Amino acid sequence: EIVLTQSPATLSLSPGERATLSCRASQSVNKYLAWYQQKPGQAPRLLIYDASSRATGIPARFSGIGSGTDFTLTISSLEPEDFAVYYCQHRSNWPPTWTFGQGTKVEIK
Amino acid sequence: EVQLLQSGGGFIQPGGSLRLSCTASGFTFSSYPMNWVRQAPGKGLEWVATLSGSGGRTFYADSVKGRFTISRDNSKSTLYVQMNSLRAEDTAVYYCAKLDSEWEGSGWFDPWGQGTLVTVSS
Repeated sequence: EIVLTQSPATLSLSPGERATLSCRASQSVNKYLAWYQQKPGQAPRLLIYDASSRATGIPARFSGIGSGTDFTLTISSLEPEDFAVYYCQHRSNWPPTWTFGQGTKVEIK
Repeated sequence: EVQLLQSGGGFIQPGGSLRLSCTASGFTFSSYPMNWVRQAPGKGLEWVATLSGSGGRTFYADSVKGRFTISRDNSKSTLYVQMNSLRAEDTAVYYCAKLDSEWEGSGWFDPWGQGTLVTVSS
């Protein structure tokens, strides 16, 4: 079973700053990785899929990179609405199962 | 616009049963696999189950296998999860989510329903 480890657990930043979130897989997941954003009291929203592709309607300040075991989500300049929890997710080949990281909270400094 | 509207949930005693529903609109429901994901209070996300578009293939997390049953009624564009032998550790907000691929071996969860809280307690 693949384990996804996200770091840091909490990131304290100010609006306008750059956020860099990490997701590390316990073994190679190729590019089968996605990122989701979850705001308090809301359902998660897909941001990035296949490691680096932005989902429909996601602003260009969100970008993803990585393959194999190391992945990064970058928010180039934090907007007030970006303060939230971010999860990475892996999809296994077959049979399909999905695994989430434990999340990184981006909070206002 | 794709929308997923959830219903069901509530308070149930350990060992009890509950069924959640998720009614979809804005897309050809029968073409897409659907999923359930849960989130215990203050915790992260946990995938629960996936069902193919036809309803013929099911996939479960080990934590719910044998106790939960995912199903769908394509004539009603509705997804269900029947939860039996509920335990305290099943307490969570349950989300339905559409797979953005017509094949359950690919794709990601987009969009998600609004979530519904299930509380298992004596």
